[in-house]
Amino acid sequence: EAQVTQNPRYLITVTGKKLTVTCSQNMNHEYMSWYRQDPGLGLRQIYYSMNVEVTDKGDVPEGYKVSRKEKRNFPLILESPSPNQTSLYFCASSLIWSGGYGTEAFFGQGTRLTVV
Amino acid sequence: GIQVEQSPPDLILQEGANSTLRCNFSDSVNNLQWFHQNPWGQLINLFYIPSGTKQNGRLSATTVATERYSLLYISSSQTTDSGVYFCAVKETSGSRLTFGEGTQLTVNP
Repeated sequence: EAQVTQNPRYLITVTGKKLTVTCSQNMNHEYMSWYRQDPGLGLRQIYYSMNVEVTDKGDVPEGYKVSRKEKRNFPLILESPSPNQTSLYFCASSLIWSGGYGTEAFFGQGTRLTVV
Repeated sequence: GIQVEQSPPDLILQEGANSTLRCNFSDSVNNLQWFHQNPWGQLINLFYIPSGTKQNGRLSATTVATERYSLLYISSSQTTDSGVYFCAVKETSGSRLTFGEGTQLTVNP
């Protein structure tokens, strides 16, 4: 089954304790990205990757790191989490568009993170 | 960047009623998707519809790219249709999906 898998689904952690949220897709997609969703602010892109070893900042990258060492995986790293990073996080993947046409994006199940 | 406006922001229906949700966008797009966010927070793909019309069961969608809007139709609504419906677009010159603020749909039995 084609899917994007995030882990963990739920996480409660303390301020300053490094954590990683994993994301894996089995559709051989080049493009992967991370979003956070907050009440009143909607879904905002954190980082994206066009392919292996190619990453770039989205709209709200502060406090986050990413890496893309393999095509299927795109982990989100919070080196020193703070309470303002409490949010619902989504990973997404899609084929790279060509000829000016976009392609359908698929989202993971979400990770609900609470930083206390 | 591109602006995405969804209407109405809230909608309350009785089971069995029909509804139309609208998404307006401010620039040319080459990707438009409709999602349903269920009560557990999951984003469910409904339609990938940069142009034209598609149908899937009780749901259908139409995008008129030249006029910069898309419509999502829900017929014979059920309580399980409740949740937030998002429209998301990717502008032709961009690389990310931009989401609207969503329509909160409540279907009462």
